[in-house]
Order: sequence, then C-alpha cells, then structure tokens
Amino acid sequence: QVQLVESGGGLVKPGGSLKLSCAASGFTFSDYYMNWIRQAPGKGLEWVSYISSSGNTIYYADSVKGRFTVSRDNAKNSLYLQMNSLRAEDTAVYYCARESSGFDFWGQGTLVTVSS
Amino acid sequence: SYELTQPPSVSVSPGQTARITCSGDALPTQYAYWYQQKPGQAPVVVICKDSERPSGIPERFSGSSSGTIVTLTISGVQAEDEADYYCQSADNSGTDWVFGGGTKLTVL
Repeated sequence: QVQLVESGGGLVKPGGSLKLSCAASGFTFSDYYMNWIRQAPGKGLEWVSYISSSGNTIYYADSVKGRFTVSRDNAKNSLYLQMNSLRAEDTAVYYCARESSGFDFWGQGTLVTVSS
Repeated sequence: SYELTQPPSVSVSPGQTARITCSGDALPTQYAYWYQQKPGQAPVVVICKDSERPSGIPERFSGSSSGTIVTLTISGVQAEDEADYYCQSADNSGTDWVFGGGTKLTVL
C-alpha cells in the first residue's frame, strides 16, 4: 500500500535551517509528481512546493521562494525540503503529498516550530 | 496572488444536503479538487477534476462546476461527514497550486 512518511521536523530558532524528508513506498516513486503542503496550527492548508517526477520542474509558493529548496532522490524513493531563514510564520505541520489527479496520498505530517 | 474563496462554515441536519461553494477567477480553465480533513488527520481527496469521485469515496459526495464557482454537494449528510473541507486548484498559469480557506461542516 502507498505510504508517505515525513521526518525531520522539530524546534528551530528564527533564522535557522531544517531539512525535511519524506520516504515513499508502495508505488513507483519516480513516476509521480510530489508536493509539500503545510498547515499552521488551527489554520488552513497552504501549498508550499511542487517537483516533477524527474525533478526538472520545480515551483514554489511566493511565501517560501528563495528560502526553501525542494529536491528528490528517485533511487532512494525520497523527497526533501531544505528550509533556510526560517520565520515564526513557517511554524506548521508539513505534509508531503503525491500528485495524481489532485493530491491523492498524503503523509501524516511532521511539525516544524520556529521559536526563540 | 490567486485566491479561492469558501464560506467559513456550513451547518446541516443529518439526512439533509450540504453544499459548499468555492469561487475563483481561474476555475473556468483549471480543475478543482475537494479534500476532507478530520481533526488530527491528513486530508483525503473526495472529488477530483471538478466532479470525479475517487474509488472508496461514498456516492453521497458529488462535485459540480459553473463558471467561476465549483460546488461540493454531500447528499444525505451523516454524522461522520463532520469535518473541514478544502477546495484546491491552480492559477491561470498552472504553476501555483492554491487551497481555499476551508469550510467547517457541522452536522447538527
């Protein structure tokens, strides 16, 4: 069965960095577009970043452009999100999601807290 | 930046029909998707491409589109349908994915 498991979240100070990982299993990872989506505590969903199946095409939300970098390693069935210059407003649960006619499978998320 | 607009809340009694709207300027040219999210859980897609129901989603969930408005309809609402619902689509360029602000469905 399809599984997406995020890791790497935690507490970080403003201005700090963190790298999230998403381990995929149960499907041919290299065939699918992948996305990062976040949800601040008590708030709605916010799309963060998209990466094509090959990694050649990447998009970011304006709120993270220039600070976050998405990447993937198809040999390791893994998706990554490098987050730099973190701000308090980046505090959220970060989900990785497979894209196939919408976001059809989601991980359970990893919490990132940016606080001094 | 592009926005999708949903009502913050909708309330219905069990067995009635709930309709949740989502408006956005690019909806005539971009597909919409609907997600259900229950507390402490990841979202689940309930409608794809405006009106397609993924396998495993009950038939009482349906979607429709008319111009700049898409609608999620839940017929014969059950207590288990109480959740937050989000619409999602893309801007006209197709490079920015956007979620609506979410609608809390309360089953009275």
